[in-house]
Amino acid sequence: DSGVTQTPKHLITATGQRVTLRCSPRSGDLSVYWYQQSLDQGLQFLIQYYNGEERAKGNILERFSAQQFPDLHSELNLSSLELGDSALYFCASSPQRNEQFFGPGTRLTVL
Amino acid sequence: AQKVTQAQTEISVVEKEDVTLDCVYETRDTTYYLFWYKQPPSGELVFLIRRNSFDEQNEISGRYSWNFQKSTSSFNFTITASQVVDSAVYFCALSEASGGSYIPTFGRGTSLIVHP
Repeated sequence: DSGVTQTPKHLITATGQRVTLRCSPRSGDLSVYWYQQSLDQGLQFLIQYYNGEERAKGNILERFSAQQFPDLHSELNLSSLELGDSALYFCASSPQRNEQFFGPGTRLTVL
Repeated sequence: AQKVTQAQTEISVVEKEDVTLDCVYETRDTTYYLFWYKQPPSGELVFLIRRNSFDEQNEISGRYSWNFQKSTSSFNFTITASQVVDSAVYFCALSEASGGSYIPTFGRGTSLIVHP
C-alpha cells in the first residue's frame, strides 16, 4: 500500500459526460501528479500540483482540468468525454523531487 | 529532451531463471534520476528503486539487482531466480533536474511472464 488513495476504482460513463476523479496524497507529500495510461500511449504525464498551485503541465487536453485543495487532495475533471479517453488514470504523490508513489488508479470506461 | 527506451516488449521465462530487463536513456542533463516501477496484473504501480546520476554504485535488494552504467546510458534490472509472483510489467523512468519539476518520462514497459 503506497499511502495514496484514489476514488473511484472503476468508472463507466457515456460519451459527452463529465467525471471527477479524486486523489489523496500520502501524508506529508505536497506534490500531486496525474497520469493517463492507455495501451497505445503508455504512461503519459498530465499535470502536477505542488501545495495547491499548478507546477507543471504535460499532455493534458483542454477538456481536462485539475486542482489541488488546501487539504492537499486533488481532483481531475474530465469533460466532454470521448471513447478515446478510456484509460487508467493514476495519481501519484512525492516528497518533492523524489520518487513518486502511485495510487491504485481509476479505470475509466467511456461507452 | 529526455527519453527512455525499453526495447524488450515482452520476456517469457521459466521459474528460477535469471532475467535482465534493459533500460537505455537519453538526457542532456548532468543531474538526473532513474527509477524502476513494477505494475503487477492488479494494476497498481509499485516503486522499486531510485538512483541519481552521481551514484553509479550497483544495488542489490534480495533477488533484485540494478546495474547503472553512465558510459552506456543504461540502467538495467536483473531478477535472480525468478518467481511466478515476479510476473508484471516493469517500467524504467528518468527525471531531469533542469526546470525544477522533475517530471519523469517513462519507458513503454517490459512485460515479464514467469511460467511455473
